Amino acid sequence: GESVGLHLPTLSVQEGDNSIINCAYSNSASDYFIWYKQESGKGPQFIIDIRSNMDKRQGQRVTVLLNKTVKHLSLQIAATQPGDSAVYFCAVASGGSYIPTFGRGTSLIVHP
Amino acid sequence: DVKVTQSSRYLVKRTGEKVFLECVQDMDHENMFWYRQDPGLGLRLIYFSYDVKMKEKGDIPEGYSVSREKKERFSLILESASTNQTSMYLCASSFVIGGNEQYFGPGTRLTVT
Repeated sequence: GESVGLHLPTLSVQEGDNSIINCAYSNSASDYFIWYKQESGKGPQFIIDIRSNMDKRQGQRVTVLLNKTVKHLSLQIAATQPGDSAVYFCAVASGGSYIPTFGRGTSLIVHP
Repeated sequence: DVKVTQSSRYLVKRTGEKVFLECVQDMDHENMFWYRQDPGLGLRLIYFSYDVKMKEKGDIPEGYSVSREKKERFSLILESASTNQTSMYLCASSFVIGGNEQYFGPGTRLTVT
């Protein structure tokens, strides 16, 4: 089965810096990758996704990079703001499955 | 906007009680899921359903059951609550076609004493 891991359980950054949250997965057949943000007291919220036919996808202040060779993806947040403080989860699915495997989450702490 | 609602934000129950957690989604999604979330363990799938009256076990189904009588509603049942079921419970829904994100409810914080 799939296993999904995050490199750091906690990441502290200064307001205005760029943040990078990393995620590794094990199944080379994985083809759909999602990042979620979970604020305190709320359920996870979709941020951005990427499919295996792409290496990079950009949203508003966020970029997801996918490296299929080393089975690694990252979420980059530009000009991090206090409102970005949350737990970030990557989720990975394969073979058209609608059931993703979640990583354990990285807590992003933004210092003013 | 997709909305997934859960019947309670906080619940306190006693050991041995039967507990019902309700989830409703308004996007006509085929799939619905129940997860529990514990510190350091991430999200673990308890049960999911891909259609009315259909259910499949997830990774940790023991001690739980589910019911899906209507497409928009998915219930999680703890037949006899135990203290190790104290957790945050999250409901989610998605379209049946793979490669689509899940939409989550706000969660129910259940404490079993």
